[in-house]
Amino acid sequence: KQEVTQIPAALSVPEGENLVLNCSFTDSAIYNLQWFRQDPGKGLTSLLLIQSSQREQTSGRLNASLDKSSGRSTLYIAASQPGDSATYLCAVNPSGAGSYQLTFGKGTKLSVIP
Amino acid sequence: NAGVTQTPKFRILKIGQSMTLQCAQDMNHNYMYWYRQDPGMGLKLIYYSVGAGITDKGEVPNGYNVSRSTTEDFPLRLELAAPSQTSVYFCASKPLGGGAGDTQYFGPGTRLTVL
Repeated sequence: KQEVTQIPAALSVPEGENLVLNCSFTDSAIYNLQWFRQDPGKGLTSLLLIQSSQREQTSGRLNASLDKSSGRSTLYIAASQPGDSATYLCAVNPSGAGSYQLTFGKGTKLSVIP
Repeated sequence: NAGVTQTPKFRILKIGQSMTLQCAQDMNHNYMYWYRQDPGMGLKLIYYSVGAGITDKGEVPNGYNVSRSTTEDFPLRLELAAPSQTSVYFCASKPLGGGAGDTQYFGPGTRLTVL
């Protein structure tokens, strides 16, 4: 059974710092991996999606990398801002599952201090 | 487009009551999903549908039922509510096809408390 772990569970950084969020998964047979953002009391918003054949994806100040063989992904946030404060969730989509089901980690709660 | 909408936003049920959580999407997506999120936990899949008339169980289906009679709607039915069903419920949808289209789009959630 696929398990997804996110470390750390919570992170507090001063504004302007660069930071890295980590995600690991137990089964390397994945179709893709996604990073989501969740604001308090809100739904999830997709940030980046990395296909299994890709090594990284970038969107603005966000960069996500994927090392499928080691079962790891990182989300790099450059020049953090208070508006980046949210919970970040990692989810994997297993290979061969035509339903495109996602298995989620528990998330990393990020606080960016002004 | 309204995207994925869910009603109600909040609900309090008594043990043993039943209710239906509504989910609708206006993006003509084939795939739809129901997740629950308990405090401090990731999302767990309850049921999913790959198209109208086709549904299947996810990781935690016990105590729930679904139907998918149209592409747009995917209601989740709770029968005989129990305190263990206290959670936030999210509905999501995804278009057919791979690549960038694999992204799931989420509704705002329904916060359910069973007392």
